[in-house]
Amino acid sequence: NAGVTQTPKFQVLKTGQSMTLQCAQDMNHNSMYWYRQDPGMGLRLIYYSASEGTTDKGEVPNGYNVSRLNKREFSLRLESAAPSQTSVYFCASRGRTPYSGNTIYFGEGSWLTVV
Amino acid sequence: QKEVEQDPGPLSVPEGAIVSLNCTYSNSAFQYFMWYRQYSRKGPELLMYTYSSGNKEDGRFTAQVDKSSKYISLFIRDSQPSDSATYLCALQRSNDYKLSFGAGTTVTVRA
Repeated sequence: NAGVTQTPKFQVLKTGQSMTLQCAQDMNHNSMYWYRQDPGMGLRLIYYSASEGTTDKGEVPNGYNVSRLNKREFSLRLESAAPSQTSVYFCASRGRTPYSGNTIYFGEGSWLTVV
Repeated sequence: QKEVEQDPGPLSVPEGAIVSLNCTYSNSAFQYFMWYRQYSRKGPELLMYTYSSGNKEDGRFTAQVDKSSKYISLFIRDSQPSDSATYLCALQRSNDYKLSFGAGTTVTVRA
C-alpha cells in the first residue's frame, strides 16, 4: 500500500519558470492537502481540497494554483517560481483508521529550490 | 501570536532518558490533538491521537492533554537513538478539514 505518493522528489527551478508537483493517494480519502515546510515555520497549508471537485485556499496560497484531477490526484502548480518558494512541499490526504479519528497522512516530500 | 506554540529546541538527551515535549495553544475550539514524528528528509507520520483531557499511553509514548490550561505534552520513556527526530504537535477544531501545527521540536537521543 503506497499511501500518498508525490513527484518529483527534488527539483531546481530558475526564477520565473513554472512547474507542477504531482500527488496521488490510494487510500480512497476524500480530502487532500498541500503544505510547505520551512525552518522555524512549521507546516503551513497552501491549498486543500475537501472533496473531489472542490478546492480552497489555506494560509499561504499566493503564487500557487491547484487542481483536483479526480479523487486520487491533487496537483500543485507554481506558475512563475520565485526564490521565496524554495521549500519542502508535502502532499497529504485525510482519512479515518480504527485507532484515530479523521487525521492527515503525509507523502515523503518534494524538495524545491528556486534560484 | 501563533495559534500553536512549540519550543523548537533542539533537545539532546542520553539514551534511556525521559523526553518531555509540549505545546501551548490559544483557541479553546481545538478538540483533537495529535503528535507527529518526522525523520530527517521524510514526511511526518502520525504518532499519537487524542481528543480528550487526560493521558493516553502507547508503548513508550504518553500523550497528555490539559484543555483547561490549553497545554499538551508528549513523553517518551526509555528513549532510544531511533527516537531522534522532529516532533510536531497538531491541533484540529471540530468539523474542520485543517490542522494547525506547531513549529516542531528536534530531539537527538545520544547512544
